[in-house]
Amino acid sequence: NAGVTQTPKFRILKIGQSMTLQCAQDMNHNYMYWYRQDPGMGLKLIYYSVGAGITDKGEVPNGYNVSRSTTEDFPLRLELAAPSQTSVYFCASSYGDRHGYTFGSGTRLTVV
Amino acid sequence: AQSVTQPDIHITVSEGASLELRCNYSYGATPYLFWYVQSPGQGLQLLLKYFSGDTLVQGIKGFEAEFKRSQSSFNLRKPSVHWSDAAEYFCAVAPMNYGGSQGNLIFGKGTKLSVKP
Repeated sequence: NAGVTQTPKFRILKIGQSMTLQCAQDMNHNYMYWYRQDPGMGLKLIYYSVGAGITDKGEVPNGYNVSRSTTEDFPLRLELAAPSQTSVYFCASSYGDRHGYTFGSGTRLTVV
Repeated sequence: AQSVTQPDIHITVSEGASLELRCNYSYGATPYLFWYVQSPGQGLQLLLKYFSGDTLVQGIKGFEAEFKRSQSSFNLRKPSVHWSDAAEYFCAVAPMNYGGSQGNLIFGKGTKLSVKP
């Protein structure tokens, strides 16, 4: 049981480049989330999805896009990377309601 | 606005000593409450959760937390800390129907725990 798998673990981007952070879960969770974590700031929600084909913005969506074509996958797209997007990105999934989240191990992204 | 406050940024305790990490929330109704732990370079792991009922909840790794409605608090405790407990701890809250259209957890900024030998 792999849980939530994120790839890549590390990435360095140049300003203006684009990339997709991959997230896959094998627990048949309907709910999936993308957070970014910056030192001393806790976790901020970027986007979330309550099921395949349904996504919605979180607290800090600017500069990002998502899609959810299957229950298992929830990729996060960065267009025109900026230094402000340097962060650690976490994907999480949940059955919703009372179950809490299962987190992936994160992607550390540096934009230079 | 909904918010979660963890007043202590960094706490250092001696191994074997007791631990209490504070968490206060600002919310109209009693939300769902969670504590997560993050070891360096890792994702977050759920320690425990509270929804209703008994206000003292037990979690993994010997942790417990007590919900106090009058203080809007959900403090995490451990009677005797081990060196392996050194990590960052996050309190989180969610609307009671967070699994639906509103759905997400709101996290505190975290408390980093250091353990002295």
